[in-house]
Amino acid sequence: EIVLTQSPGILSLSPGERATLSCRASQSVSSSYLAWYQQKPGQAPRLLIYGASSRATGIPDRFSGSGSGTDFTLTISRLEPEDSAVYHCQQYGSSRTFGQGTKVEIK
Amino acid sequence: QLQLQESGPGLVKPSETLSLTCTVSGDSISTSTYYWGWIRQPPGKGLEWLASIYFSGSTSYNPSLKSRVTISVDTSKNQFSLKLSSVTASDTAVYYCARHGYYVSGYMDVWGKGTTVTVSS
Repeated sequence: EIVLTQSPGILSLSPGERATLSCRASQSVSSSYLAWYQQKPGQAPRLLIYGASSRATGIPDRFSGSGSGTDFTLTISRLEPEDSAVYHCQQYGSSRTFGQGTKVEIK
Repeated sequence: QLQLQESGPGLVKPSETLSLTCTVSGDSISTSTYYWGWIRQPPGKGLEWLASIYFSGSTSYNPSLKSRVTISVDTSKNQFSLKLSSVTASDTAVYYCARHGYYVSGYMDVWGKGTTVTVSS
């Protein structure tokens, strides 16, 4: 099983700042089959990024994904108040596993 | 517009079987090229994929839960279902159903709103 470890656990930043979230895999993720989801309290996850770097439909361009192999990054270039949420990474190259999530707080 | 809706008992007793159904509207499971899956989230914790199914009945399971999980599909009702046997308090979670593709499209792009299941006597 591929274990995904996300860091940091909590990220507290001000509006307009840049957020960098990390997702590290215990083994290489096939063909960059990695996705990022945003989850707000009481809501289902929403797909943000797939294929490590492709934005899902309707996702603002301030969200971007990068990485390959075992190291992946989600970047939010200019934080807005509505970006306060938990962000999950998921690999779908070998079965399906999720990271434990990173909570982004807006000061 | 594709929508998924979970339904089932909100309270299940320990050692019993949890049964949930996901009703799909806006697309036909039997003609879709997607898989349909179940994911859960214990209180305050991360997401865990449980199982997925194709309209043909082809299934895949999380190895850690495979002995307790059964997923099935009813194309006549445009629904798919989850059964989790011998539940304990650690199975208390919000259960989501979702759609996903395969290989390069294996991400989950449409989710239900989730249903809370509590395991307690």
